[in-house]
Amino acid sequence: GAVVSQHPSRVICKSGTSVKIECRSLDFQATTMFWYRQFPKQSLMLMATSNEGSKATYEQGVEKDKFLINHASLTLSTLTVTSAHPEDSSFYICSAARARSYEQYFGPGTRLTVT
Amino acid sequence: KNEVEQSPQNLTAQEGEFITINCSYSVGISALHWLQQHPGGGIVSLFMLSSGKKKHGRLIATINIQEKHSSLHITASHPRDSAVYICAVKSSGDKLTFGTGTRLAVRP
Repeated sequence: GAVVSQHPSRVICKSGTSVKIECRSLDFQATTMFWYRQFPKQSLMLMATSNEGSKATYEQGVEKDKFLINHASLTLSTLTVTSAHPEDSSFYICSAARARSYEQYFGPGTRLTVT
Repeated sequence: KNEVEQSPQNLTAQEGEFITINCSYSVGISALHWLQQHPGGGIVSLFMLSSGKKKHGRLIATINIQEKHSSLHITASHPRDSAVYICAVKSSGDKLTFGTGTRLAVRP
């Protein structure tokens, strides 16, 4: 089956620093990757959709300069949280989809804590 | 009103019980997903449905497109089934719209 990995699984950083989270599709080519954010006991909130080789499409209310998304290859997308603040602490999840497929494969998530 | 509603929000069952989780949606969809999220946070895709019924082990998912309703059933429930179960629908484009989840606890 399709496998999506995320790295790191947990990260603690100081306020003001930047953190990069990687999302990789391990055994398939992901033409589209999605980045979600989840607050405790809430459902997933879509942050942005990225297609390989083009700029990400951000959801309303998500600051594109703060959450930088790069989808440079068909197997890798990165989310960089710039100048992190404690309110950015959250669980970040990516998913990946093949071309012309309804199926999304989810990564295991990254727990970010900003101190 | 959310586009995707799940019920119940919380469910406690005794080991061995038959469990049903419901999902209703208000938009036209091309596919519906059932996802499982364990306490550690990772999400596993259980089913993707566009019609009818699918079965995998002790899990069964059904969908009624006309009624805009889907159910996830767990037979012979086990404590390891304890998790949050999330219904998500794909309408236009690539985006998924998520329900708020059903928190299931199965007691031994």
